Amino acid sequence: KQEVTQIPAALSVPEGENLVLNCSFTDSAIYNLQWFRQDPGKGLTSLLLIQSSQREQTSGRLNASLDKSSGRSTLYIAASQPGDSATYLCAVRAYSGAGSYQLTFGKGTKLSVIP
Amino acid sequence: NAGVMQNPRHLVRRRGQEARLRCSPMKGHSHVYWYRQLPEEGLKFMVYLQKENIIDESGMPKERFSAEFPKEGPSILRIQQVVRGDSAAYFCASSPKSGQGARTEAFFGQGTRLTVV
Repeated sequence: KQEVTQIPAALSVPEGENLVLNCSFTDSAIYNLQWFRQDPGKGLTSLLLIQSSQREQTSGRLNASLDKSSGRSTLYIAASQPGDSATYLCAVRAYSGAGSYQLTFGKGTKLSVIP
Repeated sequence: NAGVMQNPRHLVRRRGQEARLRCSPMKGHSHVYWYRQLPEEGLKFMVYLQKENIIDESGMPKERFSAEFPKEGPSILRIQQVVRGDSAAYFCASSPKSGQGARTEAFFGQGTRLTVV
């Protein structure tokens, strides 16, 4: 059974700092890994999608890496801003049988960027 | 091109009532996934449907919960005789056809927040 762990559970940094969020998964047989952002009481916003054959993806100040063999991904946020404050979720998609491709989520890292 | 639409955004039900949650997938998407997010917990898979078929319901409680995705209209997640423990945020995601869905980006709706009083 796939399990996804995110460390740390919460992180508080001063504005302008670069930071790294970590995600690990137990079964490397994945199709892709996706990072989401969730604001309090809101839905999920997709940030980056990394296919299993890729090593990293970049979007603006965000860079996500994937090491499939070791079951790890990192989300790097450069020059953090107060508007980056949110919970960041990592999810892996894998085949779960009977034609089903489930996403398995971590519990998230709650990021606070202090002005 | 509207994204995944869920309604209602907030739903309050008394214990024992029925809750009906609706999800309209993105245009061109024929597959729908439902997830539940309990307070302080991660999102948990519930059910995966395509038009008129349930593909995988392994994450859905066997009793009181049901889901459908009719040929016409939105996908419906129904919870009968709700209890306090059903209070959670319910999210829907959609994807294109199955073979493509494995590699495509997942887009989620804004969720329905169910409160059972």
